Amino acid sequence: NAGVTQTPKFQVLKTGQSMTLQCAQDMNHEYMSWYRQDPGMGLRLIHYSVGAGITDQGEVPNGYNVSRSTTEDFPLRLLSAAPSQTSVYFCASRQGNDNQPQHFGDGTRLSIL
Amino acid sequence: AQSVAQPEDQVNVAEGNPLTVKCTYSVSGNPYLFWYVQYPNRGLQFLLKYITGDNLVKGSYGFEAEFNKSQTSFHLKKPSALVSDSALYFCAVRDPNTGFQKLVFGTGTRLLVSP
Repeated sequence: NAGVTQTPKFQVLKTGQSMTLQCAQDMNHEYMSWYRQDPGMGLRLIHYSVGAGITDQGEVPNGYNVSRSTTEDFPLRLLSAAPSQTSVYFCASRQGNDNQPQHFGDGTRLSIL
Repeated sequence: AQSVAQPEDQVNVAEGNPLTVKCTYSVSGNPYLFWYVQYPNRGLQFLLKYITGDNLVKGSYGFEAEFNKSQTSFHLKKPSALVSDSALYFCAVRDPNTGFQKLVFGTGTRLLVSP
């Protein structure tokens, strides 16, 4: 059981480049989310999805796009990378019941030069 | 809006001693509370949760947490610390009254258990 799988694990980009962070889950979870983790700031929600075809913004959505064409996949796109987007990105999924915990991937460590 | 505070950036404890990692929260309704642990270069792993019922909840790896509504706290505890417990711990709160039930995280507390 793979759980939540994120690729790549590491990436270095130049300012202005675009890229897609991949996230896939095999637990048939309805809800999926993207977070970024920065020192001293905990995890902040970027975008989330409550089901295939449905996405919405979190607290720090600027500079990022998402789509949810299938239940399993929830890619995060950086449109034009900026140094402020240097961070560790985590994808998470959970069942739709209110009291269920999130399952996290191991993260993508992204550096923007 | 809900919020979480973890007042200690780091907690140091000797192996075999009890440990406490503090968490206080603010939410408009009855909260759903969670603790997660993060080991180096890994994602967050779920430890335990409080939804309703008994104020003392038990979780993975011998951890437990006590929900205190009057003090709006949800401190993580373990009777006897292990060196392998050294990690980054996050408290999180979800307000079930919000549409997505967004999970809000604290800034994390680094636990260092010395041999």
